[in-house]
Amino acid sequence: EVQLVQSGGGMVQPGGSLRLSCAASGFTFAPFNKYWMTWVRRAPGKGLEWVASIKHDGTAQFYVASVKGRFTISRDNPKNSLYLEMNSLRADDTAVYYCAVMRAWPNSFDPWGQGTLVTVSS
Amino acid sequence: QSALTQPPSASGSPGQSVTISCTGTSSDVGGYNYVSWYQQLSGKAPKLLIYEVTKRPSGVPDRFSGSKSGNTASLTVSGLQADDEADYYCTSYAGSDKVVFGDGTKVTV
Repeated sequence: EVQLVQSGGGMVQPGGSLRLSCAASGFTFAPFNKYWMTWVRRAPGKGLEWVASIKHDGTAQFYVASVKGRFTISRDNPKNSLYLEMNSLRADDTAVYYCAVMRAWPNSFDPWGQGTLVTVSS
Repeated sequence: QSALTQPPSASGSPGQSVTISCTGTSSDVGGYNYVSWYQQLSGKAPKLLIYEVTKRPSGVPDRFSGSKSGNTASLTVSGLQADDEADYYCTSYAGSDKVVFGDGTKVTV
């Protein structure tokens, strides 16, 4: 059974930076390096929002318009890890961030990590 | 890219059925068969219920079913149970390398 364990997150001031990590394990059908990966967030009192996705080999990355140029999604396949580098953080980036495995692009997200809270506040 | 439109809430009694709509445009829901549905229990991570409009992952009960007509996709939950009480979200590919979620629907049993 695939498991995703997230780390990072916390409180940061507006304009600051933060890095989220997502460690994957339990791949049996195909290894980690065969799957696209994604970050999704849920702001307080709001719904889910797709943030970014990365191709299995890291050669393509897609972003929602509101984070383009500020966030960078990356992966380290030998370490079975996914990352989200967040710069120039704003108050409206405050959310619980989830990593998730994608069946393929642009298909569904399954499974998901446990989520990690990012709070941007002065 | 605007969120897909879902009703804010839906409800039903145990054993009844509830259907949640997800309305987009011909550029997202109507244009691709990449509609998925997720269940998010309070304080938990989302869980995939339906992918590619109608397909159920292994382990998801057949009480959950998906369909699509034109620019509107639907999730039907039959035989409602107390632990179906959750937020439900649709997603769709929206072209130009983007994915869009619905607003979310809170289901009360």
